[in-house]
Amino acid sequence: QVQLQQWGAGLLKPSETLSLTCVSYDGSFSGYYWSWVRQPPGKGLEWIGEINHRGTTNYNPSLRGRVTISVDTSKSQVSLKVSSVTAEDTAVYYCAGQPTGVFAMAVWGQGATVIVSS
Amino acid sequence: EIVLTQSPGTLSLSPGERATLSCRASQSFDSRYLAWYQQKPGQAPRLLMYATSTRATGIPDRFSGSGSGTDFTLTISRLEPEDFAVYFCQHYERPPPMYTFGQGTKLEIK
Repeated sequence: QVQLQQWGAGLLKPSETLSLTCVSYDGSFSGYYWSWVRQPPGKGLEWIGEINHRGTTNYNPSLRGRVTISVDTSKSQVSLKVSSVTAEDTAVYYCAGQPTGVFAMAVWGQGATVIVSS
Repeated sequence: EIVLTQSPGTLSLSPGERATLSCRASQSFDSRYLAWYQQKPGQAPRLLMYATSTRATGIPDRFSGSGSGTDFTLTISRLEPEDFAVYFCQHYERPPPMYTFGQGTKLEIK
């Protein structure tokens, strides 16, 4: 069973760059698409984007231009960067994995709280 | 972009009762692309159902999914205390690839 662990800076100032990393254990890294999903306090879920082991990315148009998702297959890691953050980027950020052919997120990281405040 | 609207916003029921949660889409789509998640406070979402009616690994059979076109339903046949949580539906579309979520239904103990 695939397990995900994520980490990254939790407190940012406006205009800084958010950076998070997620590592996959005990599974087939290449058999998944890897997504980032965020959840503002008390609100619903927003898909940020995804990447596969080949580095093919897809992004939510609402965030495109500020978001970069990258992959390091040698470490089974995916990373998220969001530039020029504002208070609206305050949220819990999750990494998640979609098995090939399953258009849903079957595995999730524990989540990382990111607060943007001056 | 397809918009998912979940109803009701809050559902108050007692353990042992049947829960019916609705997810309505702004446009019709392939039922392969509809999923349901459960989220408890302070936890990551957990996949319950994908392709409308396929239970994810380890999900008990009191959970079932149905629907087609624009109307989809998650049913919990007999509520257990651990089922009280927030439930989200999710849609996948392409091109380009995009995931969207409903706003959620809170299932609370009556």
